[in-house]
Amino acid sequence: QVQLVQSGGGVVQPGGSLRLSCAASGFTFRNYGMDWFRQAPGKGLEWVAFIRYNASNKYYADSVRGRFTISRDNSKSMLYLQMNSLTSEDTAVYYCAKDYDWGSSDYWGQGTLVTVSS
Amino acid sequence: DIQLTQSPSFLSASVGDRVTITCRASQDISNYLAWYQQKPGKVPKLLIFAASTLESGVPSRFSGSGSGTEFTLTISSLQPEDFATYFCQHLNGFPRTFGQGTKVDIK
Repeated sequence: QVQLVQSGGGVVQPGGSLRLSCAASGFTFRNYGMDWFRQAPGKGLEWVAFIRYNASNKYYADSVRGRFTISRDNSKSMLYLQMNSLTSEDTAVYYCAKDYDWGSSDYWGQGTLVTVSS
Repeated sequence: DIQLTQSPSFLSASVGDRVTITCRASQDISNYLAWYQQKPGKVPKLLIFAASTLESGVPSRFSGSGSGTEFTLTISSLQPEDFATYFCQHLNGFPRTFGQGTKVDIK
């Protein structure tokens, strides 16, 4: 069965960095685009970034462009989100998700909490 | 960027009610729209993609319609497990923005 297992969240000071990881299994990872989403406490869903199956294209939300980098290692079935220059506005539960038909997301990781606080 | 506006933001309904949620796009997105359900503390669940295609395993009481700039999610007969927040998401390019969500609560 498809599984996306996330790791790497935690508490970080403003201006700090963190890398999130998403380990994929149960499907041919190298064939699918992947997304990162986030959800601030008590708020709605926000799309963060997308990477094509072969990493040929990457797209970012305006709120994170230039600070966050999405990447993947198809040999390890791993997805990453490197987050730099973090601010309190980045505090949220972050989700990785597998791309599906028409660009929707059918499988999601369990979510990992990132808290930016001094 | 394409903006999505959901209405209502909050809806109070009873078991057995027919519920309709609207999602309006700031520009034509054809059929590139998905609907998700999220329960408190849980991961979002895909319900519908391509505006009207029901994801496998989703009960048939859920349906989606619309194209262009106006879309609807309908629950034909609300069940206790349907009390949740619903989000629309456009998939017509990037950024893939979401609507602000509609919380469906028990009347």
